[in-house]
Amino acid sequence: EAQVTQNPRYLITVTGKKLTVTCSQNMNHEYMSWYRQDPGLGLRQIYYSMNVEVTDKGDVPEGYKVSRKEKRNFPLILESPSPNQTSLYFCASSPRTGGPNEQFFGPGTRLTVL
Amino acid sequence: QKEVEQNSGPLSVPEGAIASLNCTYSDRGSQSFFWYRQYSGKSPELIMSIYSNGDKEDGRFTAQLNKASQYVSLLIRDSQPSDSATYLCAVIRSGSARQLTFGSGTQLTVLP
Repeated sequence: EAQVTQNPRYLITVTGKKLTVTCSQNMNHEYMSWYRQDPGLGLRQIYYSMNVEVTDKGDVPEGYKVSRKEKRNFPLILESPSPNQTSLYFCASSPRTGGPNEQFFGPGTRLTVL
Repeated sequence: QKEVEQNSGPLSVPEGAIASLNCTYSDRGSQSFFWYRQYSGKSPELIMSIYSNGDKEDGRFTAQLNKASQYVSLLIRDSQPSDSATYLCAVIRSGSARQLTFGSGTQLTVLP
């Protein structure tokens, strides 16, 4: 089954404790992206990747890191989480070379930072 | 001014009616437009994409694009209770062809 998977689905952590949210897609997509979704603010892009070893900042990259060592995986790293990073996070991938057209979204990760 | 604006709703329509969802965008050079549907507690899923002025129909859904007015809309004909969801408008801006900018969404409720 073609899909985007994220782990964990739910995470409660404390301020300053490094964490990684994994994202994997099995559709051989080149474009991958991370979003956060907050009430009233909609989906905002954190980082995106056009291909392996190619990543770039989105609209809200502060406090986050990403890497793209393999085509299928695009982990999101929070080196020192803070309460304002409490949010619902989505990973997405797109089959179109060169952009985010027609993205497929993962199931989401709900993160709470205490 | 937000780059992509939608009325947050909630918008309520009776079953069988036409639901009309609207979206405006600020970047006149934007070329690619999308409508995503998000059920409560679920991830967004793409329902329509439109790239040219005019109408694009897919089943009960029609997307309408007017670049001169910087306006894109989604019509849902014969609305069903299963259409109750939040509808997200998304735009690829001219200056950021590799990024998708979302509106905050319109919550639609279809009443049986």
